[in-house]
Amino acid sequence: GAVVSQHPSRVICKSGTSVKIECRSLDFQATTMFWYRQFPKQSLMLMATSNEGSKATYEQGVEKDKFLINHASLTLSTLTVTSAHPEDSSFYICSAIEGSSNQPQHFGDGTRLSIL
Amino acid sequence: QKEVEQDPGPLSVPEGAIVSLNCTYSNSAFQYFMWYRQYSRKGPELLMYTYSSGNKEDGRFTAQVDKSSKYISLFIRDSQPSDSATYLCAVKEEGGSEKLVFGKGTKLTVNP
Repeated sequence: GAVVSQHPSRVICKSGTSVKIECRSLDFQATTMFWYRQFPKQSLMLMATSNEGSKATYEQGVEKDKFLINHASLTLSTLTVTSAHPEDSSFYICSAIEGSSNQPQHFGDGTRLSIL
Repeated sequence: QKEVEQDPGPLSVPEGAIVSLNCTYSNSAFQYFMWYRQYSRKGPELLMYTYSSGNKEDGRFTAQVDKSSKYISLFIRDSQPSDSATYLCAVKEEGGSEKLVFGKGTKLTVNP
């Protein structure tokens, strides 16, 4: 159980393109989902916390107009990287919490974004 | 001082060895402790999730928490080449925010 699916797994696109990444909880409802960014050989950096039906909470230094998050249902959150540039190239990973608080986060398999 | 310290390794062991991975944390408010395994180009996979001090065992994996020392460990018995991955410890406060604080991860290679 507790499977999180992330799509697409790999994106290569030109500078200036907007890219949407989907995160779905397949077998549970997730009130809260998280979006992380990971650079090579580094740990995960939390970008934002996504709550179903409300605005996302962004971490300090993360541009909310650059990284648009929508959590429209209990099983789907999306991250849109708007007008992506080469410096946005990274590994983006989502996670979801099943049910109530103090449950562990379950992670998707990540999306590798490369902006040319 | 970072909130969670984890030796990044790399750690290389022969197949069958017992592996010990460790993290220390500084904030006594952290009450939940997790170990994740991350294969290259994949998302982290939850291995162990503990709340109290003591040991928790699951197959070849044992998680150990010592809240008095603010020290957490993951032991892998009879290590296999398939255990080669980066292991991340993570901690969380009780109540309030669901945010995790991660260690940097330890890269483990188990050689056949």
